[in-house]
Amino acid sequence: DAGVTQSPTHLIKTRGQQVTLRCSPKSGHDTVSWYQQALGQGPQFIFQYYEEEERQRGNFPDRFSGHQFPNYSSELNVNALLLGDSALYLCASSETGLAEETQYFGPGTRLLVL
Amino acid sequence: AQTVTQSQPEMSVQEAETVTLSCTYDTSESDYYLFWYKQPPSRQMILVIRQEAYKQQNATENRFSVNFQKAAKSFSLKISDSQLGDAAMYFCAYRSSATQGGSEKLVFGKGTKLTVNP
Repeated sequence: DAGVTQSPTHLIKTRGQQVTLRCSPKSGHDTVSWYQQALGQGPQFIFQYYEEEERQRGNFPDRFSGHQFPNYSSELNVNALLLGDSALYLCASSETGLAEETQYFGPGTRLLVL
Repeated sequence: AQTVTQSQPEMSVQEAETVTLSCTYDTSESDYYLFWYKQPPSRQMILVIRQEAYKQQNATENRFSVNFQKAAKSFSLKISDSQLGDAAMYFCAYRSSATQGGSEKLVFGKGTKLTVNP
């Protein structure tokens, strides 16, 4: 049973560029959440996708956008990159409808903005 | 808004000993879930243990157990017989109960770095 996978593992961009990160959920999961983890901090919720729609959003600017595909995989897009966007981006998947709805995380994508 | 506080930035323990990591949270909700996640240097966030707020019995998973004090809004993690592989960042997290129609996002604390000494 494949767990949550993310690509790429590492990425280096320059300010002003755009980046796309990808996530495939755990088998049987239909919901994908994205988190940003700055160095030395706990993860911060960016947004969550279910049924190909953004269901919930954290306190992040519109430069952060996403998409969910019919196979439940998801993309996170960040436009006009800032130095402060450098972080570990974590994807988590879960199954909506379960009371416990535990989120399982992927290995993350480390983004460095120069 | 819910908040999670981990007051111990770093902790250390001798191999085979027991260590307790602290977590407190603030919420006005009555039903919710609490989690401990482990993040080793490999970065992957791994679920350690989960507690449902409506259950009075403390959750246990092998060497890991929690002390859940709902009235005090406290949720500590006890690791028994510590092993070198337990060394990692440990994050406490809160999630509203989806059955209440509330937020399903995870709210994390800042983490506690656990060092295990041989």
